[in-house]
Amino acid sequence: DAGVIQSPRHEVTEMGQEVTLRCKPISGHDYLFWYRQTMMRGLELLIYFNNNVPIDDSGMPEDRFSAKMPNASFSTLKIQPSEPRDSAVYFCASTPPWGAKDNTEAFFGQGTRLTVV
Amino acid sequence: KNQVEQSPQSLIILEGKNCTLQCNYTVSPFSNLRWYKQDTGRGPVSLTIMTFSENTKSNGRYTATLDADTKQSSLHITASQLSDSASYICVVGGYNKLIFGAGTRLAVHP
Repeated sequence: DAGVIQSPRHEVTEMGQEVTLRCKPISGHDYLFWYRQTMMRGLELLIYFNNNVPIDDSGMPEDRFSAKMPNASFSTLKIQPSEPRDSAVYFCASTPPWGAKDNTEAFFGQGTRLTVV
Repeated sequence: KNQVEQSPQSLIILEGKNCTLQCNYTVSPFSNLRWYKQDTGRGPVSLTIMTFSENTKSNGRYTATLDADTKQSSLHITASQLSDSASYICVVGGYNKLIFGAGTRLAVHP
């Protein structure tokens, strides 16, 4: 398996524009996580899905952020309209089924570096 | 409140020396604790995963310890190499959630 695949790797956009980040999880993994990483705040969980259903979106900073998972092999994170403070590296991760006693691995994509000017 | 705190924030050591990174957590319920290495511009990569009953786990020159009573973990790096320069992130698994520490930035100098 090629691992978690994210696209694009880099995105530069002007303030006010719509940005869409994409993620393809590892086949067979039914949990998918979106994270944002900045120097100031480290890694922050934005939202996660289980079997394509959003479970916890309490980390989504504002209504400008939305995420979808139309099927088991694809997810998007959209920012509309984008602002300079959204500049960060956005990571997607996927895991197999897990529970309170599981120690399954979480596999991360390479991330998308977003710069909003 | 579920929290994971790491120390030191940054560390500089000479090649060949050992170092120890610390992680304290208040996550409940506790499922597991993971240490990740993140190279600049890359996604985090797992080094070790430990559950409640495990006290220590090694992965090459990396050895992680866990004290579930005091809710503390450490990552010991032996005979450091230049390629160990990275951020090391402690991640505690609660029920269906991962709580990330802010990481320790390690720089290994020749």
